[in-house]
Amino acid sequence: QQKVQQSPESLSVPEGGMASLNCTSSDRNFQYFWWYRQHSGEGPKALMSIFSDGDKKEGRFTAHLNKASLHVSLHIRDSQPSDSALYFCAASAVNTGNYKYVFGAGTRLKVIA
Amino acid sequence: EAAVTQSPRNKVAVTGGKVTLSCNQTNNHNNMYWYRQDTGHGLRLIHYSYGAGSTEKGDIPDGYKASRPSQENFSLILELATPSQTSVYFCASGESSYEQYFGPGTRLTVL
Repeated sequence: QQKVQQSPESLSVPEGGMASLNCTSSDRNFQYFWWYRQHSGEGPKALMSIFSDGDKKEGRFTAHLNKASLHVSLHIRDSQPSDSALYFCAASAVNTGNYKYVFGAGTRLKVIA
Repeated sequence: EAAVTQSPRNKVAVTGGKVTLSCNQTNNHNNMYWYRQDTGHGLRLIHYSYGAGSTEKGDIPDGYKASRPSQENFSLILELATPSQTSVYFCASGESSYEQYFGPGTRLTVL
């Protein structure tokens, strides 16, 4: 079983709508989370990190972390066609010093114009 | 902006052949990583490095070797390529818990 699980596998939302992506870690050591986005034919690019409980907002993107349940979510408001991509959640263990991330399998988002 | 380049971008190899994938970064980052991306598995870590001369095994190291001859360069070596190693390979660089910067990827097909 993957240590980082994402849901749903795919998601379609209308342009201007809200997209919500979920990620859960099965390893309590993993408490640093990142969201990455990958457009077709490119390498992944970091969207935002979240290391503390609660919400973190960057523009149209809001991440929410609940450390007790090891659940992190990403919400994209006013979704644009350019947001269509594969989204990865990545988790890292605290205080290990080796800075390895474990990635989930990804959620494919399609924004329909 | 941070830059990671990979070569070749596409590679076709024969079963049993040797394949070397190269990665160069101009970010002066200490850490470098090799991942493979397969549908349904996301990105899986093969090898990583903390600096020149160091290599560490990731989560799926079997069948792969790595080499870090300098701060800028990190290579992934398949001594005896197999069809199961057909995949898209990504190199990344980063520092501590900060974001990782990925290259554009190498599509490897082993026939």
